[in-house]
Amino acid sequence: DSGVTQTPKHLITATGQRVTLRCSPRSGDLSVYWYQQSLDQGLQFLIQYYNGEERAKGNILERFSAQQFPDLHSELNLSSLELGDSALYFCASSVGWSFSGNTIYFGEGSWLTVV
Amino acid sequence: ELKVEQNPLFLSMQEGKNYTIYCNYSTTSDRLYWYRQDPGKSLESLFVLLSNGAVKQEGRLMASLDTKARLSTLHITAAVHDLSATYFCAVAYGGSQGNLIFGKGTKLSVKP
Repeated sequence: DSGVTQTPKHLITATGQRVTLRCSPRSGDLSVYWYQQSLDQGLQFLIQYYNGEERAKGNILERFSAQQFPDLHSELNLSSLELGDSALYFCASSVGWSFSGNTIYFGEGSWLTVV
Repeated sequence: ELKVEQNPLFLSMQEGKNYTIYCNYSTTSDRLYWYRQDPGKSLESLFVLLSNGAVKQEGRLMASLDTKARLSTLHITAAVHDLSATYFCAVAYGGSQGNLIFGKGTKLSVKP
């Protein structure tokens, strides 16, 4: 158990809908990262927050957005869902945010299926 | 743009044998991570390599980093069935340590 908690574990929704994925980082970690894992694209970095502020953006679509709240939990919002958004979404956390080389711990992931 | 290539992508080994997984990357970076993933599961951190010449070992796995050659290796010694999993290398890109560019993964199957 990495200490990173993600909910829900599984989610099935229809095209065009909107979903929210939630993540609680490990105790003491200030950075939260979101990744997407799909068969065709592999593992991709989406976005990072550090202590409530956005720090880095990767291949995140405009239909997706995220935020980190004062209690450090984070939410990833996916809207206007398409079939191609079906993937495993990971949240990860670490203590620092830049150049520190801290271990990045991954949660169990949220399986999203868009039908 | 940073690209990360792993090879082989599939590896079938017999128990007791040794093998090496290679991870090449295209742009300078001094932070490289190795992760293990079991089917349908999360990514488990194996090693964080931060400097040229870094070598880390845990059990039957040993990882090394050559930043000049832009190459990391994950060496498996005397493989056992429990090592069967997919192994990913990931290279940190830009200022954010979490902006990781992942390789496609090496699916390792260790057979008795």
